[in-house]
Amino acid sequence: ETGVTQSPTHLIKTRGQQVTLRCSSQSGHNTVSWYQQALGQGPQFIFQYYREEENGRGNFPPRFSGLQFPNYSSELNVNALELDDSALYLCASSSMGARYNEQFFGPGTRLTVL
Amino acid sequence: QQQVKQSPQSLIVQKGGISIINCAYENTAFDYFPWYQQFPGKGPALLIAIRPDVSEKKEGRFTISFNKSAKQFSLHIMDSQPGDSATYFCAASLNNNAGNMLTFGGGTRLMVKP
Repeated sequence: ETGVTQSPTHLIKTRGQQVTLRCSSQSGHNTVSWYQQALGQGPQFIFQYYREEENGRGNFPPRFSGLQFPNYSSELNVNALELDDSALYLCASSSMGARYNEQFFGPGTRLTVL
Repeated sequence: QQQVKQSPQSLIVQKGGISIINCAYENTAFDYFPWYQQFPGKGPALLIAIRPDVSEKKEGRFTISFNKSAKQFSLHIMDSQPGDSATYFCAASLNNNAGNMLTFGGGTRLMVKP
């Protein structure tokens, strides 16, 4: 069974640029959630994708957007990067409709905005 | 609004001792309460989880105690080991068709001294 994978591992961007982060869900999972974890804080929910559509969103502006593909992998896109976007971005996969809907996290992408 | 409050922020325990981390939540509609363990540079790993229909769940050295009326739950790590040194996050979620976003506590950095 393959776990959740994310790419790239690290990324450095400058303010105003755009970034795309990628996630492959765990085998057998059909739902992907994205979280932002600032240094020293707990992860904050960005949004969730199920059946290639957004299925819930946290308190993040529209410049955070995403996609889910037919193979359940997903992308997180952030436009007009700000310094405060510097964080660890985590992807979690789960199986919608499963009894406990447990979420399993990938290793994250460390984004630094200069 | 922080819906899940976690304490303490940091904890130092001697090897063999008991580590106790506490969380309190506000939303009575939460119905799933997982604990995650995170090592530096890694994504959070699901440790143990509980639903509000039981008051305690034990898996090996890890136990969750749940008090529905007080809206509190805690993680106990028995016989703490240096390898348990990590950051621990409690979380809560609504498990419904609108997505099961996890709301995380602020984290507890645990250090187990040899």
